[in-house]
Amino acid sequence: NAGVTQTPKFQVLKTGQSMTLQCAQDMNHEYMSWYRQDPGMGLRLIHYSVGAGITDQGEVPNGYNVSRSTTEDFPLRLLSAAPSQTSVYFCASRERQGAKQPQHFGDGTRLSIL
Amino acid sequence: QQPVQSPQAVILREGEDAVINCSSSKALYSVHWYRQKHGEAPVFLMILLKGGEQKGHEKISASFNEKKQQSSLYLTASQLSYSGTYFCGTELKDAGGTSYGKLTFGQGTILTVHP
Repeated sequence: NAGVTQTPKFQVLKTGQSMTLQCAQDMNHEYMSWYRQDPGMGLRLIHYSVGAGITDQGEVPNGYNVSRSTTEDFPLRLLSAAPSQTSVYFCASRERQGAKQPQHFGDGTRLSIL
Repeated sequence: QQPVQSPQAVILREGEDAVINCSSSKALYSVHWYRQKHGEAPVFLMILLKGGEQKGHEKISASFNEKKQQSSLYLTASQLSYSGTYFCGTELKDAGGTSYGKLTFGQGTILTVHP
């Protein structure tokens, strides 16, 4: 039972490069989301999706794009990497919005922008 | 829309108790509590869906005061394993009484337990 799988686990980019952080879940969850975690800032919501084909912005969406073409996958794209995007990124999923069941987190992607 | 947690940090000796508070300026649909160890992903502790609800998990419990838009996490007889950062996450309630959908987290409370 894999749960929420994020790849890669570590990545170093140069300013201006683009890349996609991958996230996949095998629990048939409707709701998926991306957070970034910086020291002292907690977990800040970037984008979320309540189902395939539906995405919405969180608290800090600028510089990131998402799409949800399947229930299983929710990739996060950095369009033009900036040093301010150096962070730990967590993908998470839950059965649906408002569910009684918990949200499951992936192991995280540690991203450094030089 | 992020909930506000207090205190920011707590230092305890084994066996002591602590309370972590989480408050929102808007009506809450649910409150989630997680613990995160350094370098790891957050781990689920409990979810509270109804005002007045209280839940327990070993010696860790929580309450949800819907009217005050607040939740509290209670850690009793703390153990070394309780050390970590505790996050509350909240779903807001819309005019129809259902969830707005997104789950946002507070800044976290760093709990350190010493022998």
